[in-house]
Amino acid sequence: GEDVEQSLFLSVREGDSSVINCTYTDSSSTYLYWYKQEPGAGLQLLTYIFSNMDMKQDQRLTVLLNKKDKHLSLRIADTQTGDSAIYFCAEIFTSGTYKYIFGTGTRLKVLA
Amino acid sequence: DGGITQSPKYLFRKEGQNVTLSCEQNLNHDAMYWYRQDPGQGLRLIYYSQIVNDFQKGDIAEGYSVSREKKESFPLTVTSAQKNPTAFYLCASRKDEAPYTEAFFGQGTRLTVV
Repeated sequence: GEDVEQSLFLSVREGDSSVINCTYTDSSSTYLYWYKQEPGAGLQLLTYIFSNMDMKQDQRLTVLLNKKDKHLSLRIADTQTGDSAIYFCAEIFTSGTYKYIFGTGTRLKVLA
Repeated sequence: DGGITQSPKYLFRKEGQNVTLSCEQNLNHDAMYWYRQDPGQGLRLIYYSQIVNDFQKGDIAEGYSVSREKKESFPLTVTSAQKNPTAFYLCASRKDEAPYTEAFFGQGTRLTVV
């Protein structure tokens, strides 16, 4: 099946780094994404990585991709209380149509 | 301003009734998606559409129906056949010309069956 899995909860102290992990199933995925959801709202794109990259850095965000293990991670440096949200990884299935599949989401709680 | 709009934000339905959730976008996006969000289960794909007058079932299409008569609009009907419809529903759209294009989301509709 087409499963994108994440751990459900993560709690960190303000100023620490957060690492959110994701495993995906489609080895042919060309792009993998990280989205952020504030309470009661829609999702917003944080960053994405192309499958021929191992790492992408964007300010406080670092994305690591291990294609062999089908593992994606998002590291947030110097985590702030405003980073508290649900984080989703997503992949595109490109067999015929662009079917956009999201993970289960990780709820990040930042403790002051 | 371009964007994607869902309405209403909150919706209450009696058991046995059909209800339609609205999703409109003025981004000129080709692809539109409906997701259902439940606690601990993330986003699950209900239906998606890449072009007008065409749509495909997602992973949990049973008890739902959609139409795509216009590029801008992709309404979702929750029918009485859906056994557990209380959830947060999210609509999204993408310019479907390439896999790296970002999905834009509406603010969601929270449906409660009473």
